[in-house]
Amino acid sequence: GAVVSQHPSRVICKSGTSVKIECRSLDFQATTMFWYRQFPKQSLMLMATSNEGSKATYEQGVEKDKFLINHASLTLSTLTVTSAHPEDSSFYICSAPGVNEQFFGPGTRLTVL
Amino acid sequence: LAKTTQPISMDSYEGQEVNITCSHNNIATNDYITWYQQFPSQGPRFIIQGYKTKVTNEVASLFIPADRKSSTLSLPRVSLSDTAVYYCLVGDSVTGGFKTIFGAGTRLFVKA
Repeated sequence: GAVVSQHPSRVICKSGTSVKIECRSLDFQATTMFWYRQFPKQSLMLMATSNEGSKATYEQGVEKDKFLINHASLTLSTLTVTSAHPEDSSFYICSAPGVNEQFFGPGTRLTVL
Repeated sequence: LAKTTQPISMDSYEGQEVNITCSHNNIATNDYITWYQQFPSQGPRFIIQGYKTKVTNEVASLFIPADRKSSTLSLPRVSLSDTAVYYCLVGDSVTGGFKTIFGAGTRLFVKA
């Protein structure tokens, strides 16, 4: 099946810094990608829809100025957590739709100290 | 998007068949039913998808009654490695940017 990669797999940063997470579709093009956040023992929460060539659309309650999304090409979407704080520590997952299913990345574990 | 309801958790033993039922009373005519599996610290992985009746692949079967208000994922002869969270999702065609809203999922624990 199609492959979606994420980089980095885990990152630790200090409070107040910004962190960029990359999501790539390796063998297919994706005009749309999705970003999720998952806290321990909880389900995935959809944060935003990343659209190639246009602005991302954010779910209710997600701060667009804090979670900057850029869909620079048909194979790359980036999520930047700006001025990260400990409460932003979470598991971030991206996905890209295929013909019959969503292909999910392996996730990025963010820890903010 | 149709809301789904699943049992929070299930326990089973190796070699048993496991059936996880999902309720989706508000499913729309164009909606498909898709099941994903997630291991800790990994992204979800597609298991099976169906629209009606029965679908079977190499890892699972999906049973969907005529009214489509529920579905049952059947895992034959589970092993310890099947311990994971299973999500039932209901929605429109995945082409063109299908928005996936996850429910709570079912945490399956397989014991030796």
